[in-house]
Amino acid sequence: EAEVAQSPRYKITEKSQAVAFWCDPISGHATLYWYRQILGQGPELLVQFQDESVVDDSQLPKDRFSAERLKGVDSTLKIQPAELGDSAMYLCASTLSGKNNEQFFGPGTRLTVL
Amino acid sequence: KQEVTQIPAALSVPEGENLVLNCSFTDSAIYNLQWFRQDPGKGLTSLLLIQSSQREQTSGRLNASLDKSSGRSTLYIAASQPGDSATYLCAATDSNYQLIWGAGTKLIIKP
Repeated sequence: EAEVAQSPRYKITEKSQAVAFWCDPISGHATLYWYRQILGQGPELLVQFQDESVVDDSQLPKDRFSAERLKGVDSTLKIQPAELGDSAMYLCASTLSGKNNEQFFGPGTRLTVL
Repeated sequence: KQEVTQIPAALSVPEGENLVLNCSFTDSAIYNLQWFRQDPGKGLTSLLLIQSSQREQTSGRLNASLDKSSGRSTLYIAASQPGDSATYLCAATDSNYQLIWGAGTKLIIKP
């Protein structure tokens, strides 16, 4: 069964360092989402891609976060520099289109900033 | 602005009981509603998706209902098992085709 892949699964870093997360959506899924989930809360959308284009990055802290999906397939989310408050689960999801389609999630990357 | 609420935040029931988890949303203009399961420290597993034109969906021991007019969805779990222990989240797809999330209900099934 096709799945959304994410790596790494866990990342520990010190504040002010750079970190990067990778996501490979289900083959054929044009829409890709990055979420951040703080413990005990629902996920928060950071960025939404349609193919290689950003549809919505209004909640992405652009002073330190960046996201790209250069070829419209896999995607990278970067944080530089990391801050203590960035400790969270980072989730990637994909769907065939943005409407009336189920979002499928990867296993997530657990980030701890020390 | 769409808001999604899940009450209670936590629920503990004995094994074998049937139970209902609640999800409410403020704007009835949704495209669909999804229920997810999340185990501690893990990603999200989609359980059921109800399109806006549907009233309910069933998968095994799970049944999800949707009442757009009242802004409510419920997830019914029959004959609960300890393996059902997890956090259950609901999310509504809004007019921008984005998921608006509840904070989840943490479910504990006692053996």
